Amino acid sequence: GQSLEQPSEVTAVEGAIVQINCTYQTSGFYGLSWYQQHDGGAPTFLSYNALDGLEETGRFSSFLSRSDSYGYLLLQELQMKDSASYFCAVSTGATNKLIFGTGTLLAVQP
Amino acid sequence: NAGVTQTPKFQVLKTGQSMTLQCAQDMNHEYMSWYRQDPGMGLRLIHYSVGAGITDQGEVPNGYNVSRSTTEDFPLRLLSAAPSQTSVYFCASRNRDRSTDTQYFGPGTRLTVL
Repeated sequence: GQSLEQPSEVTAVEGAIVQINCTYQTSGFYGLSWYQQHDGGAPTFLSYNALDGLEETGRFSSFLSRSDSYGYLLLQELQMKDSASYFCAVSTGATNKLIFGTGTLLAVQP
Repeated sequence: NAGVTQTPKFQVLKTGQSMTLQCAQDMNHEYMSWYRQDPGMGLRLIHYSVGAGITDQGEVPNGYNVSRSTTEDFPLRLLSAAPSQTSVYFCASRNRDRSTDTQYFGPGTRLTVL
């Protein structure tokens, strides 16, 4: 089977930098994704890493180390609107299904 | 493009009733999936499909059936609803491009089983 671990909650202040870690165990790994979900809404795609290294998209960056089965999402210049749940997800298996972690609730304080 | 659409938005069922949650996408995506989301449990994969006529079980398939007769539609059937199936259900689609692997979600169906 698959398992993903990420912290349940993180708190940070506006303007700061926060890192949300994700460790995974799976077979047939293709890549690691990150999704954002605001309360009451649908998840939306943030980033995807298929290869080791850092991917940057504006204030958000995502990192993957395949050898360590580890990745993280880095959010810079935090804004109040970044308060949301963040999910890591692995693409896995012969049919490339997408399995999600339990999510990290980020609270950004003034 | 409408993206991924789901109906209904809200539904209340009695134990033992059956119903179908509808999902459609207009992006010509090959992959479609159904997830349920319960508080503190994240998104759990129920069933998924890699193309018309091809479906497979996810992490929590019991009590649910799916079929995929067209690329656009992927309905989820609850055969005999139980209170444990009270949840928010999300349908999602993505294409087979493994370089980007972006999944798009519908707005969700909030189901209560009494």
